Amino acid sequence: NAGVTQTPKFQVLKTGQSMTLQCAQDMNHEYMSWYRQDPGMGLRLIHYSVGAGITDQGEVPNGYNVSRSTTEDFPLRLLSAAPSQTSVYFCASSRDRNTEAFFGQGTRLTVV
Amino acid sequence: DQQVKQNSPSLSVQEGRISILNCDYTNSMFDYFLWYKKYPAEGPTFLISISSIKDKNEDGRFTVFLNKSAKHLSLHIVPSQPGDSAVYFCAAGASGGYNKLIFGAGTRLAVHP
Repeated sequence: NAGVTQTPKFQVLKTGQSMTLQCAQDMNHEYMSWYRQDPGMGLRLIHYSVGAGITDQGEVPNGYNVSRSTTEDFPLRLLSAAPSQTSVYFCASSRDRNTEAFFGQGTRLTVV
Repeated sequence: DQQVKQNSPSLSVQEGRISILNCDYTNSMFDYFLWYKKYPAEGPTFLISISSIKDKNEDGRFTVFLNKSAKHLSLHIVPSQPGDSAVYFCAAGASGGYNKLIFGAGTRLAVHP
């Protein structure tokens, strides 16, 4: 079982560049989320989706866009990368609102 | 303002002894709580959860205790094993919150022989 798959695992961007972090799940989960992990700050919610076509903002949404055209995929777009977006990004999915989330292996992004 | 706090960044325990990881929260709307374990270069994996209608939940060597009046929960690992060495995150959510989990900063547990 693949679970939650994130690509790429590592990425280096120059300031101002744009890119898309990919996330796919094969568990037919309705709920998907993006988190970033920074030292001493735990995981902070960026955006989340409760189903195809429905997305909403989390704690730290600025500088990121998402869309959910299918149940399986939930890409995260950085429109104009900034050094403050250097972080480890995790995608997660869950069956419903109050159950445990399954996480991908993460994408380590460095913006120089 | 952090709604979920794990005040101990690290904890060192001898193999076979009990590990106790603590978590405090401030939002009274939180009514379910989860613990996740994370190894380096991997995503967090779910460990155990508890809802606010309970004060204890047990799963093998892992027990989570919830004290609602103190807004405090703890994870007990007995007996601790070297493979338990990882970062442990406490997370909290509110029913109807569309799985908007709020995570603590994590506690790094080291279990040594």
